[in-house]
Amino acid sequence: ELKVEQNPLFLSMQEGKNYTIYCNYSTTSDRLYWYRQDPGKSLESLFVLLSNGAVKQEGRLMASLDTKARLSTLHITAAVHDLSATYFCAVPSGNYGGSQGNLIFGKGTKLSVKP
Amino acid sequence: EAQVTQNPRYLITVTGKKLTVTCSQNMNHEYMSWYRQDPGLGLRQIYYSMNVEVTDKGDVPEGYKVSRKEKRNFPLILESPSPNQTSLYFCASSRDRHNQPQHFGDGTRLSIL
Repeated sequence: ELKVEQNPLFLSMQEGKNYTIYCNYSTTSDRLYWYRQDPGKSLESLFVLLSNGAVKQEGRLMASLDTKARLSTLHITAAVHDLSATYFCAVPSGNYGGSQGNLIFGKGTKLSVKP
Repeated sequence: EAQVTQNPRYLITVTGKKLTVTCSQNMNHEYMSWYRQDPGLGLRQIYYSMNVEVTDKGDVPEGYKVSRKEKRNFPLILESPSPNQTSLYFCASSRDRHNQPQHFGDGTRLSIL
């Protein structure tokens, strides 16, 4: 059974600092997704990582995927208040081409960026 | 505008009274899915559909039904709702099941008394 673990679950940062959120998963998968959720809002796609070594960057956020280590990181550079949100990683439970369509989410990392 | 539309957005109802939450997407997406979000538990998948007439269970399907008679619609049915189904529900769709990110609806907050 696929398990997806994020850490930390809560993160309070000061503006201007760097930090990394980790997403570990327990079984083989060659793809991973990152989503953002603002309080009271829906989820918004941030990154789609489709292969080992994939790296994607958008503004102050950079995501990477190491399928051998079953690990993805979401790195925050020089945090600003607007990045305050909950960040989720999600992993499909079957390999691409398989019949399964399950998507397993981590519990989310609630990020608070303070001035 | 590309979107996933859920209705209702809020509903308070009583135990045992059948209800349906509708979900419609206008992007011609093949893959659709339902999730529930609970504090401390994150998002858990209830059911998903990879195409018309193809549905399968997610992690927490008990007490729910779905149907996919048309590509654009994927309603979630609670035949006999119970208080433990009080939650925030999201519908999502994507072009296929693995390569594309999912587009989420705005959510439906259900309270079952």
